Amino acid sequence: QKEVEQNSGPLSVPEGAIASLNCTYSDRGSQSFFWYRQYSGKSPELIMFIYSNGDKEDGRFTAQLNKASQYVSLLIRDSQPSDSATYLCAVIPNTGNQFYFGTGTSLTVIP
Amino acid sequence: ETGVTQTPRHLVMGMTNKKSLKCEQHLGHNAMYWYKQSAKKPLELMFVYNFKEQTENNSVPSRFSPECPNSSHLFLHLHTLQPEDSALYLCASSTGTSGVQETQYFGPGTRLLVL
Repeated sequence: QKEVEQNSGPLSVPEGAIASLNCTYSDRGSQSFFWYRQYSGKSPELIMFIYSNGDKEDGRFTAQLNKASQYVSLLIRDSQPSDSATYLCAVIPNTGNQFYFGTGTSLTVIP
Repeated sequence: ETGVTQTPRHLVMGMTNKKSLKCEQHLGHNAMYWYKQSAKKPLELMFVYNFKEQTENNSVPSRFSPECPNSSHLFLHLHTLQPEDSALYLCASSTGTSGVQETQYFGPGTRLLVL
């Protein structure tokens, strides 16, 4: 069983719409959750992290964590073409101190 | 120079060559990581160093040999690689390796092609 699962996409949304990216994880005791954005040919860059159940907002980005259902999501409001990238979910399970990454979801924002 | 830097950015090598990848972080972090990123696969953690000590080695073949002389520098020595080792090799660093300190910041990566 994969530690972290994401729908590989591609996910396409029109400019100005809300993009919703989802991630599920297998270790119920996981405590730390991260979203990274990776442009083609570039390295991952941190968007935000979340530790507590509920929502965390940072500008146009909102991370949502539901530990009971073992999923974490990322919402991007007012999507822009510059948001087109692969979004990686990363989880630190309760069993260790290393990141487990999902395969990423490819997002395309259509002008 | 700021952040995490990696050299070289691109590398082509034959299976009998020996080469080294270099990573340097200018963030004052204590932990450094090597990852391998292949197409259609999740990032694979290879090695973790915390305060220069290796704390994780995820069953990486011995043809990959890490070296961490201090908390700011990390090397990955490569020898007798296979074509399937062709990938993007990413270095990352973090303040520590537990709790909120684990947010990792990535370098630009080295794109490796083994012929």
